[in-house]
Amino acid sequence: KQEVTQIPAALSVPEGENLVLNCSFTDSAIYNLQWFRQDPGKGLTSLLLIQSSQREQTSGRLNASLDKSSGRSTLYIAASQPGDSATYLCAVQGGHSGAGSYQLTFGKGTKLSVIP
Amino acid sequence: GAVVSQHPSRVICKSGTSVKIECRSLDFQATTMFWYRQFPKQSLMLMATSNEGSKATYEQGVEKDKFLINHASLTLSTLTVTSAHPEDSSFYICSAPHPLQTYGYTFGSGTRLTVV
Repeated sequence: KQEVTQIPAALSVPEGENLVLNCSFTDSAIYNLQWFRQDPGKGLTSLLLIQSSQREQTSGRLNASLDKSSGRSTLYIAASQPGDSATYLCAVQGGHSGAGSYQLTFGKGTKLSVIP
Repeated sequence: GAVVSQHPSRVICKSGTSVKIECRSLDFQATTMFWYRQFPKQSLMLMATSNEGSKATYEQGVEKDKFLINHASLTLSTLTVTSAHPEDSSFYICSAPHPLQTYGYTFGSGTRLTVV
């Protein structure tokens, strides 16, 4: 069974700092890994999707890396802003354990607070 | 584009009653809809997958007679929580494969269900 772990569970940083969120998964036979943002009581916004054959993806101040063999991904946020405050979720798609091609397995998320 | 509208956003119901949650794809046809549940400080857990015109597929441990899923059209999927109990209080969220992004998803805004 695929398991996704995110560390830390919560993080508080002053505005302007660069930060790294970590994600690990147990089954490396994934199709892709995705990072989402979830604002309180709201749905998810897709941030970055890394295919299993890729090493990283960038969008603006966000950079996500993937090391499939070691089962790890990081989300790097540069020059953090108060508007970045949210919960960041990591999810992997696929895996050996019978998951369908569309099934996402989520981590519990990292709650980020950027202090002005 | 590719918006999934989920209603209601919040609902409080009495124990023993039923609650229906709707997810509509506004500008695309969703042949598949995923239903997730998220307990506080836990990850999103897939409950079931609905496909238009056929029976939903439920994940292990999810009672299909309690969580009724209907996907009668290409733009509407519903989840009905029958005979709700306080332990069903949770955040329910739907998701459909994004019509334009390979392996991408679009999420509803979620429904906070409180059973009293």
